[in-house]
Amino acid sequence: NAGVTQTPKFQVLKTGQSMTLQCAQDMNHNSMYWYRQDPGMGLRLIYYSASEGTTDKGEVPNGYNVSRLNKREFSLRLESAAPSQTSVYFCASRKGPAQLVSTDTQYFGPGTRLTVL
Amino acid sequence: GDSVTQMEGPVTLSEEAFLTINCTYTATGYPSLFWYVQYPGEGLQLLLKATKADDKGSNKGFEATYRKETTSFHLEKGSVQVSDSAVYFCALSEAGAGKSTFGDGTTLTVKP
Repeated sequence: NAGVTQTPKFQVLKTGQSMTLQCAQDMNHNSMYWYRQDPGMGLRLIYYSASEGTTDKGEVPNGYNVSRLNKREFSLRLESAAPSQTSVYFCASRKGPAQLVSTDTQYFGPGTRLTVL
Repeated sequence: GDSVTQMEGPVTLSEEAFLTINCTYTATGYPSLFWYVQYPGEGLQLLLKATKADDKGSNKGFEATYRKETTSFHLEKGSVQVSDSAVYFCALSEAGAGKSTFGDGTTLTVKP
């Protein structure tokens, strides 16, 4: 059982380049999330998808776009990378649907370490 | 809006010491409360949870009790080990919110 997988694990970009972070879960979960983790700032929610076909902004959506490709996959795109986007990015999922349930555990992927020069 | 406040770290303890990491929250409804742990280089994983007032979550020797009257969910362990060195996150989740709220994390280092 793979759980939540993320690709790539590491990435170095130059300012202005674009890239897509991939996330997939094999637990048949309804809800998926993208966070960034910066030193001293905990986890900040970028975007989430409460169910297939829906996406919503989190705390820090500027500079990012997301796509819920199907129930399994939720990608995060940086259209024009900036040094301020240097961070560790985590994808997570939970059974949900998020609107009805608060007791579900979130399952996290191993993270993508992104550096923007 | 919802918020979670954790005691500031880092926390450094000797092996076999008693651990408390404080967590308080504000929420509009009746949230579920969670502690997640992050080991170096890994993603977060659930340590324990409690879904209603007075519930006690426990796992791997860690415990936390959901105290509605003090809006707290403090994490405790009677005797820490070097292998408990990690970052600990307190979090809450409310039905209808669609997302969870995390604290800033507390880094624990246990020395032999």
